[in-house]
Order: sequence, then C-alpha cells, then structure tokens
Amino acid sequence: NAGVMQNPRHLVRRRGQEARLRCSPMKGHSHVYWYRQLPEEGLKFMVYLQKENIIDESGMPKERFSAEFPKEGPSILRIQQVVRGDSAAYFCASSGRTAYQETQYFGPGTRLLVL
Amino acid sequence: AQKVTQAQTEISVVEKEDVTLDCVYETRDTTYYLFWYKQPPSGELVFLIRRNSFDEQNEISGRYSWNFQKSTSSFNFTITASQVVDSAVYFCALSEGPQGAQKLVFGQGTRLTINP
Repeated sequence: NAGVMQNPRHLVRRRGQEARLRCSPMKGHSHVYWYRQLPEEGLKFMVYLQKENIIDESGMPKERFSAEFPKEGPSILRIQQVVRGDSAAYFCASSGRTAYQETQYFGPGTRLLVL
Repeated sequence: AQKVTQAQTEISVVEKEDVTLDCVYETRDTTYYLFWYKQPPSGELVFLIRRNSFDEQNEISGRYSWNFQKSTSSFNFTITASQVVDSAVYFCALSEGPQGAQKLVFGQGTRLTINP
C-alpha cells in the first residue's frame, strides 16, 4: 500500500531557474496539501487542492509560486525564478475522499537548495 | 487566530527515562482536531495520533501516551521508558473546524534527543 510519493527528493537550482516538485497522493486520496519547512522552523501551510481545483491558497506567496492537481497525474508545485530564500523542505500531504478532518499523511518531502 | 505553542525547543534525556512534550493550542472553534507527528533524522513526517475536540479521553499506544485537557488547552505527549530510536523532532498540530479549509497549523516542534 504505497504512501504519498514525492519527487525529486532533492533538487538543486541556481537563482532564476524554475523548480517543479511533484506529489502523488496515497491511493484513494483526492485531497492534496503542500507545506513548506524552512530551516529550523515548523511547517507552514501553502495550498490545498482537490482534483482540478484550488480550494485554499492562503499560504502561497503572491508571486512566483503556483500549484495544480490535474485530473490525471501528480500534483505539481511550481516555483519560478527561484531565490535563495526558497531553499526549504517542501512536503506534500494527502487525505481521503471526504477530507473532513481526515488525517493528512505526508510524503518524504523534497529538499530544495537554491545556489 | 489559531496557534500552537511547543515551548520546549529541545529536550535531552538518558535512555529509559520518561519524557513529556508539551503542546498548548489556541482556537475559537468548538470543533477542532489535534495531531502529533514525528520527524526522525531521515526527514519524513510520521503521523502518530489524531484527537477530536469532543474526545478528552487519554490514549495509550505502547510506550506513547497522550493527555488532552480542554480546560488548559493542552495536548501533551509522554514517552515512557524512552529509547534512542525515539530521537526526533516532534510536532503538534491543530486543524480548523467543520467549515474550515482543513489546513494544519503546526507548532515549532520539540527536538528530542535520547542518549544511550
């Protein structure tokens, strides 16, 4: 029973490049959440998506960041023109069909390093 | 606004000691859920427990136990007879009520080190 999958696990980008982080939810889950963990800090909510819909993006930076969860395929968190301050661990979580206060299960995270 | 406070930034104990990790939360919702997650040195986040606001029963799972007290807005986590493998960062989290957006609000985490 595969858990939440994220790839790549580590990503190195130079300033100004684009970063694409992928997340495949747990089987049977249709709700995806992205969180960011800055060094030595807790996790901060970024965005909550269902298939083809963004439900809550209140934690997303206003510029350069976008997320999608297409009908087919993984959820993508995209960061354009990365800056050093984007270096962090990005975690994806998924929950079940109802989503109502269901437990969010996390993937292993993608560690993004911006040089 | 919702908030979770884990006042203990780091705790270090010797193996076999009992240790309690504190978590205090703030919310205006009457319906909410509380969680604990473990982040071992390998970096992944492991779900430990979920508790809803209407269930104040304490829970025990092996060496782990949780004490939920609405009167003090606390959801503390105790590890009995700690082991080196318990070394990790532990996060307490809170989610919003039934009309909320399901996002989790995390505390800053407590780094627990169990020394042999």
